[in-house]
Amino acid sequence: AQSVTQPDIHITVSEGASLELRCNYSYGATPYLFWYVQSPGQGLQLLLKYFSGDTLVQGIKGFEAEFKRSQSSFNLRKPSVHWSDAAEYFCAVATLYNTDKLIFGTGTRLQVFP
Amino acid sequence: DVKVTQSSRYLVKRTGEKVFLECVQDMDHENMFWYRQDPGLGLRLIYFSYDVKMKEKGDIPEGYSVSREKKERFSLILESASTNQTSMYLCASSAATGGGYTFGSGTRLTVV
Repeated sequence: AQSVTQPDIHITVSEGASLELRCNYSYGATPYLFWYVQSPGQGLQLLLKYFSGDTLVQGIKGFEAEFKRSQSSFNLRKPSVHWSDAAEYFCAVATLYNTDKLIFGTGTRLQVFP
Repeated sequence: DVKVTQSSRYLVKRTGEKVFLECVQDMDHENMFWYRQDPGLGLRLIYFSYDVKMKEKGDIPEGYSVSREKKERFSLILESASTNQTSMYLCASSAATGGGYTFGSGTRLTVV
């Protein structure tokens, strides 16, 4: 069965520092990949998605993610974190055979110190 | 601005009550989903629907039912609310062609 792993439950960074959030998936073929962000008390907002093509994907709020097939990873990055980036981040996958149904990781909570 | 609207942000109900959580989307999406979110457990799929009057069980359907009488509306029903159903409930929709979900803002339900 397909699965998504976000190995870091909680990450703390200083404002202005770079950020990388890890995501690994388990699936035999290339899945569709997504990153969502959830601010406290809110629903989830789509940051970016990868379907095919260029493996480096640009998203909103200055985020990017890189798909690495050899590592089954889709890590989220940002060169300089802002205090407003403090939130919970979810990685998700959908398979080619069931593109409608997303499988979510358990999330990574990002804390940003001034 | 496209939207998924959940009727209540916060809800407090008593044990044993029948609870209705409403979700409406204005994007003409075929697919709609209900998740619950609990700390440390991530998002767990309760029910989903690919079309009007269709419903499919997700990973944790026990204690819940759903209704989809119109394409834009997907209701989650707690037949007899219990304290272990205290949670954040998230509704989402997506087009049949895939492309990811659009989420509502969530309903934080407390059962006392």
